[in-house]
Amino acid sequence: AQSVTQPDIHITVSEGASLELRCNYSYGATPYLFWYVQSPGQGLQLLLKYFSGDTLVQGIKGFEAEFKRSQSSFNLRKPSVHWSDAAEYFCAVGGGSQGNLIFGKGTKLSVKP
Amino acid sequence: GAGVSQTPSNKVTEKGKYVELRCDPISGHTALYWYRQSLGQGPEFLIYFQGTGAADDSGLPNDRFFAVRPEGSVSTLKIQRTERGDSAVYLCASRTSGSSYNEQFFGPGTRLTVL
Repeated sequence: AQSVTQPDIHITVSEGASLELRCNYSYGATPYLFWYVQSPGQGLQLLLKYFSGDTLVQGIKGFEAEFKRSQSSFNLRKPSVHWSDAAEYFCAVGGGSQGNLIFGKGTKLSVKP
Repeated sequence: GAGVSQTPSNKVTEKGKYVELRCDPISGHTALYWYRQSLGQGPEFLIYFQGTGAADDSGLPNDRFFAVRPEGSVSTLKIQRTERGDSAVYLCASRTSGSSYNEQFFGPGTRLTVL
């Protein structure tokens, strides 16, 4: 069965520092992979997605992610974090032909001034 | 334009009661999903509608949960005989037709608390 693991429950970084959030997936075929961000009181917002092709994917708000099939990973990165990036981040994999998503448990990002 | 809206934003009920949670998708979006997000967890899929019909209800935890979308727009998630374990944030998402993996747009959720 498909699954997503986000090993880090909570990460704190200083403003201006680089960020990498880890995501590992389990899926039999070529996966559809997503990163969402959830801010308090807001709905989940799509940051980026990977379907096929170039394994380095650019998203909104300066985020990027790299698909590594050999490591079953899809880590999210940002070169310089801003205070407004503090939120919870979810990695997800496409669960079937209907488009339903299977989410990880999320990583909460705190940003120190 | 307007996004996905959900009402109420918060619902407190007593164990054993019946509740209805409403989702208004983005106009023109034919696909609609319900997810449930328990504390400290990621969203979990409940049910998927394509138009008026429930195309996949494999995520519904038991027969106390039911959802409808009679006119292919607004959807209502219905929970009978609520239990404390049903306490969670219920999320709705919609997307356009075409690829199953077109972007899903999520609403802010309904926080359900069962006392």
